[in-house]
Parts: sequence; C-alpha cells; structure tokens
Amino acid sequence: AQRVTQPEKLLSVFKGAPVELKCNYSYSGSPELFWYVQYSRQRLQLLLRHISRESIKGFTADLNKGETSFHLKKPFAQEEDSAMYYCALINVGTASKLTFGTGTRLQVTL
Amino acid sequence: DTGVSQDPRHKITKRGQNVTFRCDPISEHNRLYWYRQTLGQGPEFLTYFQNEAQLEKSRLLSDRFSAERPKGSFSTLEIQRTEQGDSAMYLCASSTIGSSRDEQFFGPGTRLTVL
Repeated sequence: AQRVTQPEKLLSVFKGAPVELKCNYSYSGSPELFWYVQYSRQRLQLLLRHISRESIKGFTADLNKGETSFHLKKPFAQEEDSAMYYCALINVGTASKLTFGTGTRLQVTL
Repeated sequence: DTGVSQDPRHKITKRGQNVTFRCDPISEHNRLYWYRQTLGQGPEFLTYFQNEAQLEKSRLLSDRFSAERPKGSFSTLEIQRTEQGDSAMYLCASSTIGSSRDEQFFGPGTRLTVL
C-alpha cells in the first residue's frame, strides 16, 4: 500500500533561517511526488512537483529514490511561508488519487 | 471561471439526517475527485470520476455514501443516515489530461458537522 509520512506536525523557524520539511514515502513502482500548501483561509494548492524540477517561491524538493524521500527545502524562510504543507504522491500509471501525508505546519517567526 | 466551487461551505446536521454536497469543477476538466479531511490529517481519497464514469471508490466510502456526476460536469456527494464520525471537511478537486497533467485543483471544501 502506498503511504506518505511527514514526521513533524509543527516546524517553527526564525525568519531568514533555512527550512526543511521532511517527507518519506512507500510505494512500489514509480510514483510522482508533490508538495501542496494551504495558507490561512485559502484552499489547498499545488506548490511544486518533482518532475518539474523547478523552484517555486524559493522552495525546492529533490526526489531521493534510494531513501524514498522528497524533502522540501528553502534556504531563507519568510513570514509569508507560514502555512500548512502536505506531501503527496500519485500513481503515475493511473493518474488518479492523491495519497497525502498528515501535513506539517510551518511557523516562521521574527 | 474562478476555479472549483463547492456548496454549501458549511453544513450542520443532526445524526441520522441525509446531506448532499455539490461540486462544480473547472470548466472542461474531465476528472473530478472527492476527498475527506479530518482534524490533524491530510485529505483522504474517497472517489473519482472521469467524465460521468465513477472509476474508483475508496474502502472509506461506505454504502451510506454515494456520488454522482450525471452529465460529466458538476458532481454531488450524498451521505445518508449521517453519523458523528462523518464530521469532516469534504474536498472536491478537478484535473485534466494536458500540459498540467495530474495537477488537481481543489475547491474550498464543505465542512460537515454532525451533532
């Protein structure tokens, strides 16, 4: 069964500090990995996906198949990064359901 | 088109009552998904449509739950004989095959409270 694990419920960092939100997955086959973000009072939205290999709002995430990880990183946290972050995977073959982790709340303080 | 919309945004009902939620996807999106999210958890998949065909249902979807997408556009999710355990946020998402393949766009959700 596919599973996504986000070990931290809350990550609190100071503005300007580096951020790393952890995500590990278990899946047999070739999944596609995503990070979704939910800002306060807003809907869930896609932040980035591993196949794009791009940086969005300063965030990057590298898929490490050996460690089955897809950690989200940003070198310098900003206040506006405070939000709920969800790691998710999808079955590439069927492109159907997303399997989400439990989420990590990132709190950036001054 | 301002994105996926859901109605109502909030629903409070008494145990044993039936409720129905509506989702309007982004125009021309042929895939529509329902998820449920409880406190402290990520969204959990319930069911998915491609056009009007319901292609997959989660084991979470008991026989009290039914979803339809009659004309391949909007969808409804009905819960019969609601239970307190049904209290959750119900999310709808839509997607299409294309340049943003697999990107699911989410609606604001319907928050259900069963008293």
